Amino acid sequence: KNEVEQSPQNLTAQEGEFITINCSYSVGISALHWLQQHPGGGIVSLFMLSSGKKKHGRLIATINIQEKHSSLHITASHPRDSAVYICAVSGFGNEKLTFGTGTRLTIIP
Amino acid sequence: EAGVTQSPTHLIKTRGQQATLRCSPISGHTSVYWYQQALGLGLQFLLWYDEGEERNRGNFPPRFSGRQFPNYSSELNVNALELEDSALYLCASSTGSGTEAFFGQGTRLTVV
Repeated sequence: KNEVEQSPQNLTAQEGEFITINCSYSVGISALHWLQQHPGGGIVSLFMLSSGKKKHGRLIATINIQEKHSSLHITASHPRDSAVYICAVSGFGNEKLTFGTGTRLTIIP
Repeated sequence: EAGVTQSPTHLIKTRGQQATLRCSPISGHTSVYWYQQALGLGLQFLLWYDEGEERNRGNFPPRFSGRQFPNYSSELNVNALELEDSALYLCASSTGSGTEAFFGQGTRLTVV
């Protein structure tokens, strides 16, 4: 079993739909990261959070430490949101990130 | 402000050769991380450098090595290249422990 599990693996939605991507982890963490990877490989850090909720534009990330679960939400989705979204966790005193396998999101106009 | 820059963007090598990949962190960042993303696989942690020292290493053979220079830039060296080393190699930097990491665009290494 992977330490970081994401669901779904693939998600196709119509433009404007509300998107939710889930991430569960099985180890103690100091922080959880949501990353966005566009075709070509470049990665952008979307959020780093250790508790509660963060919002940036149409993106919202939440984390429940007790349940070891995080969600990434996209409101009013747009074709430019199409990308692979990756959840990663970092441990205490251990800066390496452990990654989920990613969720491939496709938004259809 | 310049982001994390990696060079080259693409690299083609023959099996058995050595590859050197370079990373310049964001100004003020002292930590550099290297990750491998092989085709069809997720990202795997390779190496973490901080203040010139190797702090942590992923589950990779000794053929994978690197260093961090006094200006905090970093090199990743892969010796005796194997076909399976073909991957996207990503570098990230941060200001240190517990802080957000920012990624470069990656170097795509192809071993033929």
